[in-house]
Amino acid sequence: EVQLVQSGAEVKKPGESLKISCKGSGYTFTNYWIGWVRQMPGKGLEWMGIIYPDDSDTRYSASFEGQVTISADKSISTAYLQWSSLKASDTAMYFCAREHGSGSYIDYWGQGTLVTVSS
Amino acid sequence: DIQMTQSPSSLSASVGDRVTITCRASQSIRGYLNWYQQKPGKAPKVLISSVSSLQGGVPSRFSGSGSGTDFTLTISSLQPEDFATYYCQQSSSTPRTFGGGTKVEIK
Repeated sequence: EVQLVQSGAEVKKPGESLKISCKGSGYTFTNYWIGWVRQMPGKGLEWMGIIYPDDSDTRYSASFEGQVTISADKSISTAYLQWSSLKASDTAMYFCAREHGSGSYIDYWGQGTLVTVSS
Repeated sequence: DIQMTQSPSSLSASVGDRVTITCRASQSIRGYLNWYQQKPGKAPKVLISSVSSLQGGVPSRFSGSGSGTDFTLTISSLQPEDFATYYCQQSSSTPRTFGGGTKVEIK
């Protein structure tokens, strides 16, 4: 059974750094693009970027490039989303998501990680 | 980047109604159009991929159509469990982009 299991909720202060994780299981992690989607409170879905774990090829949305870093450690089947300096506006639910190989639609989602940034 | 414009942003409907949601892309996305359903507090779930391919376990009352830049999600007879928010997404190119969402509420 394919599963994406994300790390738990985080409460941080502005300016702090953070790295959240998404562990894949039940499939060959290196064979599928895995991405991150942001959902701010009461708002829609925003595609942030994706990574191909086999070679770490990474694509970002312009809105998020330079603001976050997407990475992966294929030895432990885990993808990451990282901030070096959080802002209050980063408060959101973050989902990791696997892209199906054919058609590139999202076929599996993580359960979401709620990040709250508040002084 | 390809912009996805979804309409309406919300609608009220009754059980049994036929519901249509539209999605327009800012340029041709060929057949790379997907539809997701999201219920409160949950991750989205794919309903339809590649314009009209119904995913396993999704009821046949859901259907998708369209081509080029204009696409439609239809629910033929709305059921209580269909009250949710629906998103279109293009996967023709990166960055992938989502429509703004359509919240389907009970009338």
